[in-house]
Amino acid sequence: DGGITQSPKYLFRKEGQNVTLSCEQNLNHDAMYWYRQDPGQGLRLIYYSQIVNDFQKGDIAEGYSVSREKKESFPLTVTSAQKNPTAFYLCASSLGTADEKLFFGSGTQLSVL
Amino acid sequence: SQQGEEDPQALSIQEGENATMNCSYKTSINNLQWYRQNSGRGLVHLILIRSNEREKHSGRLRVTLDTSKKSSSLLITASRAADTASYFCATVSGFQKLVFGTGTRLLVSP
Repeated sequence: DGGITQSPKYLFRKEGQNVTLSCEQNLNHDAMYWYRQDPGQGLRLIYYSQIVNDFQKGDIAEGYSVSREKKESFPLTVTSAQKNPTAFYLCASSLGTADEKLFFGSGTQLSVL
Repeated sequence: SQQGEEDPQALSIQEGENATMNCSYKTSINNLQWYRQNSGRGLVHLILIRSNEREKHSGRLRVTLDTSKKSSSLLITASRAADTASYFCATVSGFQKLVFGTGTRLLVSP
């Protein structure tokens, strides 16, 4: 099946710990995105990448880091500098630019222990 | 930054009724997209309308766009319980960023 796979579905972080959320796509899309969603809220852009080995900060990049070493993969690390990491994290991809429709993964719920 | 604001925030209707959701935005756009999100799941793209289009249909969905008023509406006709979800508008303006609104929570009762 073609699509976007996020893992794990649930993740717990201890104080001071870095955690990495996985996002893999087999749609052959160039662009990939990470969004954060808080309860009852819309989505806020964390980072995006239009091409391998290149990525840009979104609106709330502080406390997060990404890499784009392969076209298929765009992992997100939530660092200890992110003081309020509890949220639902969504990865998405698009064929080219954001003018195209986005395809979303099923999300990762991150909680703090 | 949130570009779009959906109205109403929540909507409760009976099966068979029509549901209308509105989206207002602040700056000029390239296109406007509507997405659906079931609880605890990712978003699913519903429809895209470009800035030079005024109306678009897809099955039971009808989207209008009024660029002079910076607003769009999503109409779901003959709603079903399975339409229960949150609906988001998203706009593309400037460079490579899709900005989402805060969403409308739709509840369709059998």
